[in-house]
Amino acid sequence: QSVLTQPPSASGTPGQRVTISCSGSGSNIGKNYVYWFQNLPGTAPKLLIYKNDQGPSGVPDRFSASKSGASASLAISGLRSEDEADYYCASWDDSLSALVFGGGTKVTVL
Amino acid sequence: QVQLLQSGAEVKRPGSAVRVSCKVTGGTFSTHTVTWVRQAPGQGLEWIGGIIPIFGTINYAQKFLDRVTITADDSSSTVYMELSSLTPEDTAIYFCAREVDRYNTSPGWLDPWGRGTQVTVSS
Repeated sequence: QSVLTQPPSASGTPGQRVTISCSGSGSNIGKNYVYWFQNLPGTAPKLLIYKNDQGPSGVPDRFSASKSGASASLAISGLRSEDEADYYCASWDDSLSALVFGGGTKVTVL
Repeated sequence: QVQLLQSGAEVKRPGSAVRVSCKVTGGTFSTHTVTWVRQAPGQGLEWIGGIIPIFGTINYAQKFLDRVTITADDSSSTVYMELSSLTPEDTAIYFCAREVDRYNTSPGWLDPWGRGTQVTVSS
């Protein structure tokens, strides 16, 4: 049972927009930054978004994110086959004094 | 360019301990938190803990509190994670990652990551 709640799966056809939600609480997302990672099986996670909505250099601007209250979301626009991966949200939890992750969302490109 | 170089795969017996290393190259070592995260087969990412070498401050996830030890060696710019009393449920890929901001001010802003170390626990 993850502290942050994500849908287990999401899908879309090439070119479509897909949105992934991440729900937390006042002790994590409600008070701290949200980060998003892309993970391909057997490889290291890759930072997609930092500090709620900032994209590192080298990450396509097709990836965008937002935060409102104790929830956050990641959007992938212009979906491409190479976007097929698992996506995780993360935030620091002040009550647990721990970095908490969502359970991950598997994105499938139909 | 900062890189994290992890030690090789390990196979361990139940009840034993494993130590995984993570060498930081190409950047400042002591002022940035190094974090450990694991991923069991078919499972999600799980935070184990982290250390900021300059302060010696260590945070551990409650779940691992009684059997994990994270240490740092400034002389070799290497962080170690030792997990004891291993069970088959500890079979996972163990990743280290470096926090981008200094002084643990942005926990979660993890970049780059090491390539991971496969730890297999089996009798």
